Amino acid sequence: NAGVTQTPKFQVLKTGQSMTLQCAQDMNHNSMYWYRQDPGMGLRLIYYSASEGTTDKGEVPNGYNVSRLNKREFSLRLESAAPSQTSVYFCASSGQADNSPLHFGNGTRLTVT
Amino acid sequence: AQSVTQLGSHVSVSEGALVLLRCNYSSSVPPYLFWYVQYPNQGLQLLLKYTTGATLVKGINGFEAEFKKSETSFHLTKPSAHMSDAAEYFCAVRASGGSYIPTFGRGTSLIVHP
Repeated sequence: NAGVTQTPKFQVLKTGQSMTLQCAQDMNHNSMYWYRQDPGMGLRLIYYSASEGTTDKGEVPNGYNVSRLNKREFSLRLESAAPSQTSVYFCASSGQADNSPLHFGNGTRLTVT
Repeated sequence: AQSVTQLGSHVSVSEGALVLLRCNYSSSVPPYLFWYVQYPNQGLQLLLKYTTGATLVKGINGFEAEFKKSETSFHLTKPSAHMSDAAEYFCAVRASGGSYIPTFGRGTSLIVHP
């Protein structure tokens, strides 16, 4: 049982380049999330998808786009990377119930030079 | 609206000593509360959660937390720290009633000295 799988694990981009971070879960969860983690800032929500076919902005959506490809997959795209987007990105999923915990992937470490 | 405050970005204890990590929350509706642990270069893992019922919640690795509504707190404790407990700990709140968005605290780094 893989849980939440993120690819790639590491990535280095130059300013202005684009890339897509991939996320897939095999737990049949309805909700999926993208967070970024920066030192001293905790986890900040970028986008989330409450169910297949819907996406909504979180706390820090600027510079990002997302696609809920199907129930399993939720991708995050950086159209024109900036150094401020250097961070560790985590994908998570959860069941529909309010008391469902989040299940996290192992993260993607992105450096933008 | 909901929010979480974790007091202390770093907590340092000696091996065998009591661990106490503080979390206070605010929520306009009854909350669900969670503690997660993050080991280096890994994602977050669930330690324990409070939903309803018993206010003292036991989790993995000997950790427990007590929900105190009057104090709006959900502090995490462990009687005796082990070196393997060194990690980042996050408190999170998720409001009951249909909100899909949990709110996380900024995290507390637990340092365990031999």
